[in-house]
Amino acid sequence: DAGITQSPRHKVTETGTPVTLRCHQTENHRYMYWYRQDPGHGLRLIHYSYGVKDTDKGEVSDGYSVSRSKTEDFLLTLESATSSQTSVYFCAISESIGALNNSPLHFGNGTRLTVT
Amino acid sequence: KNEVEQSPQNLTAQEGEFITINCSYSVGISALHWLQQHPGGGIVSLFMLSSGKKKHGRLIATINIQEKHSSLHITASHPRDSAVYICAVVNTGNQFYFGTGTSLTVIP
Repeated sequence: DAGITQSPRHKVTETGTPVTLRCHQTENHRYMYWYRQDPGHGLRLIHYSYGVKDTDKGEVSDGYSVSRSKTEDFLLTLESATSSQTSVYFCAISESIGALNNSPLHFGNGTRLTVT
Repeated sequence: KNEVEQSPQNLTAQEGEFITINCSYSVGISALHWLQQHPGGGIVSLFMLSSGKKKHGRLIATINIQEKHSSLHITASHPRDSAVYICAVVNTGNQFYFGTGTSLTVIP
């Protein structure tokens, strides 16, 4: 299994509080992703990173920010949590992407976040 | 409209049956992934393919680029195959799109 760890695994927080989720990898993969998974929706991309300090927005980025100061860590921050951000969050990593050199996606075990 | 559509959404089979899960997509792709999500929630990569067919144990994945369609087959299904199977594609702009998954239950 790819070395990818998410923390915390479960979090309950109140509306309006800041929350940070951490993704840590030991694979030295270039690409890291944050997804959210909700019933009736496929995995939806929040933000992704293609290198240290290189990040970009996904389709559901509003209300979220990310940082990647080291290859191995990718942080997802909810500056002021809302109930609509109650979800399961998955981090994923991949070594490469592109027409000539796609590589598999490896997922963390997920973080279940509840905003009350 | 989703870029990736899976069918069926739910599937129940008897142990030993041959199972097919379908994935159709509407964008040009560089690769297609099949993922498995167990009831505990973890997601595992099963296959990544851009043409033809791949086999791993009792699992077979095929893709037809011209028809924009892929299938995942499970031979001699077993209760431990019960999971959600997710199809994902990488478009030519290197973006991932995910299907909503097919929930498979294999009954002993």
